[in-house]
Amino acid sequence: QQQVKQSPQSLIVQKGGISIINCAYENTAFDYFPWYQQFPGKGPALLIAIRPDVSEKKEGRFTISFNKSAKQFSLHIMDSQPGDSATYFCAARGEGSNYQLIWGAGTKLIIKP
Amino acid sequence: DAGITQSPRHKVTETGTPVTLRCHQTENHRYMYWYRQDPGHGLRLIHYSYGVKDTDKGEVSDGYSVSRSKTEDFLLTLESATSSQTSVYFCAIKTSGGTDTQYFGPGTRLTVL
Repeated sequence: QQQVKQSPQSLIVQKGGISIINCAYENTAFDYFPWYQQFPGKGPALLIAIRPDVSEKKEGRFTISFNKSAKQFSLHIMDSQPGDSATYFCAARGEGSNYQLIWGAGTKLIIKP
Repeated sequence: DAGITQSPRHKVTETGTPVTLRCHQTENHRYMYWYRQDPGHGLRLIHYSYGVKDTDKGEVSDGYSVSRSKTEDFLLTLESATSSQTSVYFCAIKTSGGTDTQYFGPGTRLTVL
């Protein structure tokens, strides 16, 4: 119940295309869902996050879609650029868990010029 | 980068030797975390701290211990390193004030031969 399942493991998208990464969870007590972006040799950095009281959050080219009934959330990157090439992690936080995050396994995204 | 440094950045050691990794923050954040990152596993929580001398185990704590005698420093110790502990180790802090963002340090690449 504590798992977050992320797919796909890797993704290749043409420049200008839409990149979509999906995550699913089981624990209905999760109350915060961030996406992190990691470049090689760096630590992960928060990209965008959502709470379950909204179904969508958009920041620039990045959108989180959240489906509470299906216990799924996804990251959409519009007009994907080569600079978006990175590893993306979804995560979820359990209520009252000292802010521990449960992480997906990551998606390596490559944007082809 | 929320003023997080990790030392050393790279270390090669022999099986059976003790190893201590240091995480230092400059902004007096209460929550600090140690993760390990391995291909296919994403980030896995080893230990975390919610104050000076207040620590708790994470998902993969076996073989690891931590100490936090000062707000700014969170130490991770491998009492007797094994090859399975070869990994990249990340320290993170969580900011206060209603946000749940975790900020990560640059990581330590540890190789146990």
